[in-house]
Amino acid sequence: GESVGLHLPTLSVQEGDNSIINCAYSNSASDYFIWYKQESGKGPQFIIDIRSNMDKRQGQRVTVLLNKTVKHLSLQIAATQPGDSAVYFCAETSGYSTLTFGKGTMLLVSP
Amino acid sequence: GAVVSQHPSRVICKSGTSVKIECRSLDFQATTMFWYRQFPKQSLMLMATSNEGSKATYEQGVEKDKFLINHASLTLSTLTVTSAHPEDSSFYICSAHASGTGSDTQYFGPGTRLTVL
Repeated sequence: GESVGLHLPTLSVQEGDNSIINCAYSNSASDYFIWYKQESGKGPQFIIDIRSNMDKRQGQRVTVLLNKTVKHLSLQIAATQPGDSAVYFCAETSGYSTLTFGKGTMLLVSP
Repeated sequence: GAVVSQHPSRVICKSGTSVKIECRSLDFQATTMFWYRQFPKQSLMLMATSNEGSKATYEQGVEKDKFLINHASLTLSTLTVTSAHPEDSSFYICSAHASGTGSDTQYFGPGTRLTVL
C-alpha cells in the first residue's frame, strides 16, 4: 500500500529472489519516468528510465514496466542482492519540467 | 561522467546563524539545477529551480528570503539557509540537468545533512 506520514512501504525478500516494486503516478501528461535508488544518508542514484512511447525497458538485472492505461510503473530486480537494500523512488516528468517523486519503497534483502 | 558534488556533506549550526551549501557539476555544465529537501523516511520535496544567470523559481510554500539561491556559473549553485532554526534541520539535496544533451535526466548530489541546534 501507499505510505502515509513516516511509514514507508517495505518489501522484504531473500537474497536471490526477484523483487518487484510498484509505483502509481498521477499525471497522465507525464512522458518520462525514472527509478532512483537511495541508500541511507546518500543522494538518489539513477537506475533506469523509460519514455511513454515504450512499455518495457531492460537494464542490467533491472526491468521497468510502464502501464499508461492505469498509470502504473514497476521496477523488477532479478536475483536481488543484499547490496540492493535501499529506498527506491519512482519519479515522473513531462518535457523538461520538474520531477515529481513518489513516496518511496524500502527494499530489505536478507542474506 | 555526470557527477554532482555538494559541500559540506554535513553541518551543525546554532539557531539564528546562516548556512551556505554548495552544489557543483564536476564534468558537465548545468543551466538548471534543483534544490530538494528530504525529511526522515519521506520523499524528496522540490524547493526551487535554480537557473544560471537569473532568479530562482520557488515552489509554493518555500520562503525565498529564507532560502537564498545563487546560480552564478554553469557549474555552481548555492543554497543559503538564513537565520536557521531547528525546524530547518533536514537533508538538502541538489540535482542538475546536463545542458545541451537534450536529456531529461537529473543527476543528484550526495546531499547535505543540516542540523540546527
